Amino acid sequence: DGGITQSPKYLFRKEGQNVTLSCEQNLNHDAMYWYRQDPGQGLRLIYYSQIVNDFQKGDIAEGYSVSREKKESFPLTVTSAQKNPTAFYLCASSTQGSGQPQHFGDGTRLSIL
Amino acid sequence: GENVEQHPSTLSVQEGDSAVIKCTYSDSASNYFPWYKQELGKGPQLIIDIRSNVGEKKDQRIAVTLNKTAKHFSLHITETQPEDSAVYFCAATMDSNYQLIWGAGTKLIIKP
Repeated sequence: DGGITQSPKYLFRKEGQNVTLSCEQNLNHDAMYWYRQDPGQGLRLIYYSQIVNDFQKGDIAEGYSVSREKKESFPLTVTSAQKNPTAFYLCASSTQGSGQPQHFGDGTRLSIL
Repeated sequence: GENVEQHPSTLSVQEGDSAVIKCTYSDSASNYFPWYKQELGKGPQLIIDIRSNVGEKKDQRIAVTLNKTAKHFSLHITETQPEDSAVYFCAATMDSNYQLIWGAGTKLIIKP
């Protein structure tokens, strides 16, 4: 079945530590996105990539970094510079272009130890 | 920039009744309006979408209406069932922008 796989489902970060969240898709989509969701709130865009080896900052990119070396993969690193990283992180993908439906993975919940 | 407001934040309806969730947007250039359903611990799932050249779209018990003049769009769920309980999000975007702008979500509770 085609879809988006996020791993791990739960992740814990220690103070001063960088952690990387995995996102893989086999939908042959060009575009991929990372969102942050806080309790009772909507989704906020962290980074997006319309094509391999290219990505743009979203509304809340500070303290995060990404790479897009392969079409299928868009890993997100939460750096120690992100002072409030506890949240639910969602990865999505779509065909290229605006106004395209986005398909989501089941998220990674990040907590601070 | 675009802003999307969603109401109500919580909606409780009796099983079998209809539910309506409304969103308003600020930028008249917005032309794509999806609705997503999110169950606990899962990612959002697209349930229906509409483009600005269409006023209404239906898919079984779900419908979306768009009023471009008033800049609002609504999700209608008829004959609600327990499995409709979830958080619903609206969003909007324009041709010139790859970003979806999201509403804050509506928690729909179906009472047995």
